[in-house]
Amino acid sequence: QVQLQESGPGLVKPSQTLSLTCTVSGGSISSGSYYWSWIRQPAGKGLEWIGRIYTSGSTNYNPSLKSRVTISVDTSKSQFSLKLSSVTAADTAVYYCARFSGYHYIDYWGQGTLVTVSS
Amino acid sequence: QSVLTQPPSTSGTPGQRVTISCSGSSSNIGSNTVNWYQQLPGTAPKLLIYSNNQRPSGIPDRFSGSKSGTSASLAISGLQSEDEADYYCAAWDDSLNGYVFGTGTKVTVL
Repeated sequence: QVQLQESGPGLVKPSQTLSLTCTVSGGSISSGSYYWSWIRQPAGKGLEWIGRIYTSGSTNYNPSLKSRVTISVDTSKSQFSLKLSSVTAADTAVYYCARFSGYHYIDYWGQGTLVTVSS
Repeated sequence: QSVLTQPPSTSGTPGQRVTISCSGSSSNIGSNTVNWYQQLPGTAPKLLIYSNNQRPSGIPDRFSGSKSGTSASLAISGLQSEDEADYYCAAWDDSLNGYVFGTGTKVTVL
């Protein structure tokens, strides 16, 4: 059973860079035709896809966030990471990491981690 | 803002059948398969339906999905109290080259 766990600071100051890491266990991050993805959800609101990465390093990003987002992968550590720059209060949300199948559905999710942007 | 439109809420009594619609466009639902996710209060979303109408292992057959043109639907038959949750449709969008979620529908069991 694949498991994903987000980690990183729960509080980030405005204008700084939000950094999160997702650790994958129960399966190889490099096996199969899977992408590794980040999704976020502001309190009381809907889901927003941030982007995804293949283990080759190929990425796709949400156009509305593309200028501020970087997703990277470290297969040796079975981890992938999210960096979101120049954050504002609007970036306050629960951030989920997830496994994205080659058939365009998300089959495994992390439990989510709340990141608050505040001074 | 979401490019897939869902009704904000729907409700039903136990045992009833409810349906949730998801309206998109030719670049997303019209070109790609639709998936549905269930999010129980305070938890991460869970895959409910994939590839328009397929259920992952462990999902009861009370849940069914369909797609026609640029719209899709999720049906819940034999509604149960534990079905009270938020439901999201989603699909790949070829124009955005990204994954888009629906606006979400809250299902209330009366």
